[in-house]
Amino acid sequence: AQTVTQSQPEMSVQEAETVTLSCTYDTSESDYYLFWYKQPPSRQMILVIRQEAYKQQNATENRFSVNFQKAAKSFSLKISDSQLGDAAMYFCAYGAGSYQLTFGKGTKLSVIP
Amino acid sequence: NAGVTQTPKFRVLKTGQSMTLLCAQDMNHEYMYWYRQDPGMGLRLIHYSVGEGTTAKGEVPDGYNVSRLKKQNFLLGLESAAPSQTSVYFCATKGGTPLGYEQYFGPGTRLTVT
Repeated sequence: AQTVTQSQPEMSVQEAETVTLSCTYDTSESDYYLFWYKQPPSRQMILVIRQEAYKQQNATENRFSVNFQKAAKSFSLKISDSQLGDAAMYFCAYGAGSYQLTFGKGTKLSVIP
Repeated sequence: NAGVTQTPKFRVLKTGQSMTLLCAQDMNHEYMYWYRQDPGMGLRLIHYSVGEGTTAKGEVPDGYNVSRLKKQNFLLGLESAAPSQTSVYFCATKGGTPLGYEQYFGPGTRLTVT
């Protein structure tokens, strides 16, 4: 079974600084997708960024980028120029073959003014 | 477009009572999912559906039943609620092919079983 591990239960970052959230996964599949979701205090799950495993180029969405290391099964999220609105729970998720997503347990990010 | 909506947003049940959570979507998506979120556990899949009239078990299906009689609705039922079912429940939908498309989530339902 696929597993997703987020080893940092909590992280903090100064406003305007850069922070990296870690995620590793275990799979025997060769074709899969990886996602980062953000969950602010409102509880709404919001897609931040998506990475296709067959693409070597790391995905980027404005201030959010990933470092995808397929051989190491690592998928970290980098947030640049952190803003107060970035404070939230961040979940890494994996999807392949079956129809479901497997989520990590989440990292709570605090942004310090 | 409302996207994905969930009814109700909050509910308190006594042990042994039953209830149904409704998920509705207006995006014409084939795939629908029910997750539960518990502190420190992330999201875990309860049941899912790959189309109208179909359902399948996820990671934690015990104590729950589902139905997908209409494409736009996915119902989650608790026949005899237990305190262990206290959680936040999320519905999600996905369009396109099975692989590669993100899931869109509803706002969640907070359920407390006393």
